[in-house]
Amino acid sequence: TQLLEQSPQFLSIQEGENLTVYCNSSSVFSSLQWYRQEPGEGPVLLVTVVTGGEVKKLKRLTFQFGDARKDSSLHITAAQPGDTGLYLCAGGDNYGQNFVFGPGTRLSVLP
Amino acid sequence: NAGVTQTPKFQVLKTGQSMTLQCAQDMNHEYMSWYRQDPGMGLRLIHYSVGAGITDQGEVPNGYNVSRSTTEDFPLRLLSAAPSQTSVYFCASSYLTGAYNYGYTFGSGTRLTVV
Repeated sequence: TQLLEQSPQFLSIQEGENLTVYCNSSSVFSSLQWYRQEPGEGPVLLVTVVTGGEVKKLKRLTFQFGDARKDSSLHITAAQPGDTGLYLCAGGDNYGQNFVFGPGTRLSVLP
Repeated sequence: NAGVTQTPKFQVLKTGQSMTLQCAQDMNHEYMSWYRQDPGMGLRLIHYSVGAGITDQGEVPNGYNVSRSTTEDFPLRLLSAAPSQTSVYFCASSYLTGAYNYGYTFGSGTRLTVV
């Protein structure tokens, strides 16, 4: 069974600070996705990375897929209260028919 | 665009009762799946389907049945509810584009309590 670990589990920071959250596994994934989930809602896709070493930017969010395709990081620059939520990573096998989700990092950005 | 629609949003069942959680998508996605989300355990795959008439089991399939008679609908049936099935259930769909799944669209969830 493929397992994903995420760290930290909880993170509370002040508006304007930078932060990085991590997603790690001992398994190799064909692709990896990051989602953000707000209370009472389903997860919303932020990004998909498919190539080892790939870096993608989405405004103030920077996503990196590890060279060995076993880990990933999400860096947020100048965090804002609107970034508050549960950040989930998900790793997929070939053809994306079985995605494994990590337990998430719960981020709170205080004004 | 409605996306993925789940009904009901909330449900309370007594132990032993059965029910069906509904999921419909209007994006012509081939792939549909059901996850359950429990505190500290992330999302766990229950069942999935890669097209009408094709279903398969995920990580935690026991106590649940699915069928896929149309591309749009993927209902999840609880056969005999147990307190361990208390959870938040999410339906998700996506295109299948060969080697990669480029991302799920999730519904807003059904919060189920079994007493």
